[in-house]
Amino acid sequence: DAGITQSPRHKVTETGTPVTLRCHQTENHRYMYWYRQDPGHGLRLIHYSYGVKDTDKGEVSDGYSVSRSKTEDFLLTLESATSSQTSVYFCAISESPPGVGDTQYFGPGTRLTVL
Amino acid sequence: AQSVTQLGSHVSVSEGALVLLRCNYSSSVPPYLFWYVQYPNQGLQLLLKYTTGATLVKGINGFEAEFKKSETSFHLTKPSAHMSDAAEYFCAVSSPSGAGSYQLTFGKGTKLSVIP
Repeated sequence: DAGITQSPRHKVTETGTPVTLRCHQTENHRYMYWYRQDPGHGLRLIHYSYGVKDTDKGEVSDGYSVSRSKTEDFLLTLESATSSQTSVYFCAISESPPGVGDTQYFGPGTRLTVL
Repeated sequence: AQSVTQLGSHVSVSEGALVLLRCNYSSSVPPYLFWYVQYPNQGLQLLLKYTTGATLVKGINGFEAEFKKSETSFHLTKPSAHMSDAAEYFCAVSSPSGAGSYQLTFGKGTKLSVIP
């Protein structure tokens, strides 16, 4: 299994509070991704990173920001959480970009509930 | 925008029966295609993928899928279902998302139940 950990694994928070989710990898892969999974929607890309300090937006980036200060860590921040951000969040990594058909490896997920 | 359609959000099969999970995609260029499986309370893991070459792709746990360009399909099959195959399956396509970048787009998933 790819060495990907996510923390916390579960979190309950209140509307309006800031939340930061962490993804840590030990594979030294260049590309990292944050997805959210919601029933009936599959997985949707929030943000991705193609190197240290290099990030870009995905399909559902509104209300989220990311940072990557070192290769192994990719942080997802909800500046002011809303109930619509209740979801399961998955981090993924890959050696190469999606454009060359490389496999993405997924972490175990973080279940976030915003009350 | 690229899209992936998985027919049937829930599929039930008897143990030992054929498993067929359908996936159709839209893409303006030849795509890279993936099937992932998610067991309860776990992340996704790769079952198989098509990049180039042979259109019949074999994956783990006895699954295989065939890329049919003319039908824009990548259906997943397994000849004989096992109880341990009960999970949710996601089809995904890697295709251009603009400005020279690519993105992995997922279908909404098909939950497979296996009846003893």
